Amino acid sequence: DIQMTQSPSTLSASVGDRVTITCRASQSISSWLAWYQQKPGKAPNLLIYKASSLESGVPSRFSGSGSGTEFSLTISSLQPDDFATYYCQQYSSYPLTFGGGTKVEIK
Amino acid sequence: QVQLQESGPGLVKPSETLSLTCTVSSVSITAYSWSWIRQPPGKELQWIGYIYHSGSATYNPSLKSRVTISVDTSKNQVSLQLRYVTAADTAVYYCARRSAMESHFDNWGQGTLVTVSS
Repeated sequence: DIQMTQSPSTLSASVGDRVTITCRASQSISSWLAWYQQKPGKAPNLLIYKASSLESGVPSRFSGSGSGTEFSLTISSLQPDDFATYYCQQYSSYPLTFGGGTKVEIK
Repeated sequence: QVQLQESGPGLVKPSETLSLTCTVSSVSITAYSWSWIRQPPGKELQWIGYIYHSGSATYNPSLKSRVTISVDTSKNQVSLQLRYVTAADTAVYYCARRSAMESHFDNWGQGTLVTVSS
């Protein structure tokens, strides 16, 4: 199985901050990576697919980059609605696997 | 707007079978592939398996011996059966739609908590 490792596990930030979350794959996954946002008690919501493609309806302050084994999700200016947990997911090979999550907290 | 709604018992006894249904609205289930994903309390997401629009299925090897995913096209539903459950199967279970082009998930149900306990 491909292991997905996210860092940091928790991030404290303020409204307006630029925030970057990293996801590392245990082997190359090309650009087959998605990012999701999850709020407490809710289902995950797709933000980014194919490493850098923004899902329709997602604010442009979210962006993704990377390929191979190193990926990042950046929020250019953190908004109150962005405090949540973020997960990466690889879909290069089965079984599909998710990262352990990064919780973005209010500083 | 596609909607997915999971339903089923919230409590299952150890060694019994967990059975859940996902009712899909606003799109035919034959037009897409569908997946079940679970999340133990406070933990990360785990992919359980896919059923493709062709009717074939792919499962996570860690669960393959206990899982069956099926579709009922007449009811526009996707079903999950997980046999011989233990406390480790306690989780929120989500159904999700596979993107038309790639194997990420572009629509999710709200999830349903299933607790395994006697």
